[in-house]
Amino acid sequence: GAGVSQSPRYKVAKRGQDVALRCDPISGHVSLFWYQQALGQGPEFLTYFQNEAQLDKSGLPSDRFFAERPEGSVSTLKIQRTQQEDSAVYLCASSLRERFADTQYFGPGTRLTVL
Amino acid sequence: AQTVTQSQPEMSVQEAETVTLSCTYDTSENNYYLFWYKQPPSRQMILVIRQEAYKQQNATENRFSVNFQKAAKSFSLKISDSQLGDTAMYFCAFMADQTGANNLFFGTGTRLTVIP
Repeated sequence: GAGVSQSPRYKVAKRGQDVALRCDPISGHVSLFWYQQALGQGPEFLTYFQNEAQLDKSGLPSDRFFAERPEGSVSTLKIQRTQQEDSAVYLCASSLRERFADTQYFGPGTRLTVL
Repeated sequence: AQTVTQSQPEMSVQEAETVTLSCTYDTSENNYYLFWYKQPPSRQMILVIRQEAYKQQNATENRFSVNFQKAAKSFSLKISDSQLGDTAMYFCAFMADQTGANNLFFGTGTRLTVIP
């Protein structure tokens, strides 16, 4: 079956622009995660959804970051008024159930470059 | 707060040889899970192996095995019979065993190169 997909794979934005990053999780997966991976670093947690409910958004770095998953499947991470420090790879992951130890399956990521 | 430390930014190994990647972590939790993820140049993160902290037996998956030392908070990955396809970034990750604490804490990674 298909894995986690993300689009676009690459995004270049001018400072101040808004961007929207899409994640299509594995069909039927209840849990969905967003991570930010800066160059040369490990991924850092941004936010977590269980179905359509955003249960944890403690990792979102500022109120310019917003995520949604309105129908419990596809998720969108939106960054408003992008800044250069937002440049990173944004990874999406999904897992089958809401159990906390389920394996997370990652997408290929979206590389965001803010000029 | 949880922290994961990988002290080897880069390593190399000859094909067919064995290599060990180090990972230490710091937590006040008693129950947790540890993972090794592989991230090839294509950037799709893949789970290599996982360990439940309550299990004393070290996890193994084919050529991959871990040495889990709970008291020392150490979780190293051993790759036997290294293959060219093992070339990748390897991340050690931690997850607390708490309701709602679903996210992974990652180390900074070790870049492994397998030399033909």
